[in-house]
Amino acid sequence: GAVVSQHPSRVICKSGTSVKIECRSLDFQATTMFWYRQFPKQSLMLMATSNEGSKATYEQGVEKDKFLINHASLTLSTLTVTSAHPEDSSFYICSVQTEGPNQPQHFGDGTRLSIL
Amino acid sequence: RKEVEQDPGPFNVPEGATVAFNCTYSNSASQSFFWYRQDCRKEPKLLMSVYSSGNEDGRFTAQLNRASQYISLLIRDSKLSDSATYLCVVNMYSSASKIIFGSGTRLSIRP
Repeated sequence: GAVVSQHPSRVICKSGTSVKIECRSLDFQATTMFWYRQFPKQSLMLMATSNEGSKATYEQGVEKDKFLINHASLTLSTLTVTSAHPEDSSFYICSVQTEGPNQPQHFGDGTRLSIL
Repeated sequence: RKEVEQDPGPFNVPEGATVAFNCTYSNSASQSFFWYRQDCRKEPKLLMSVYSSGNEDGRFTAQLNRASQYISLLIRDSKLSDSATYLCVVNMYSSASKIIFGSGTRLSIRP
């Protein structure tokens, strides 16, 4: 399966700060990456689909101006949480899906974001 | 009705027991199915894909019932290390992904 690296693994910062999370596909050129958010004891919720060289596709209810996604290369997608507030504290995870029909997704290690 | 539903558990079983989880999905056009396990405060890791004919990987057996729209996971001879949350994942389409995660079933294996 694909190897996905996510950085940083843990962020603690003050309210109002913008936080950038990187997702790298180490052994696979990913035209598409996915960003999820998971609150405690809840399932993963897809936030957006990151498309290399074009705009991301956001799920309903996710503010695109709040969660900026940039997918500038086939191996890197970034998610920036702008002006983060305590309610943005969550576990953010990226994934890639290898090519071909019915392939599973492979996840990065996740980033635990805590906004004070 | 949720697109993918799982019994949240928790299932608390003794080591060595056999335990089974079911997961139902609402979209009959769903194409592919997976079981992931997620340990506390970690990312999900692929446990196994689920094939139409059913498949086995060691102590784990996955089955798909398209007529009744559910998938199942059977764990035999459970180990303490099997304690985790098991996520049912359904891909609604074969090419463009529409991945839906179940809310997970928590399993706790006791000595």
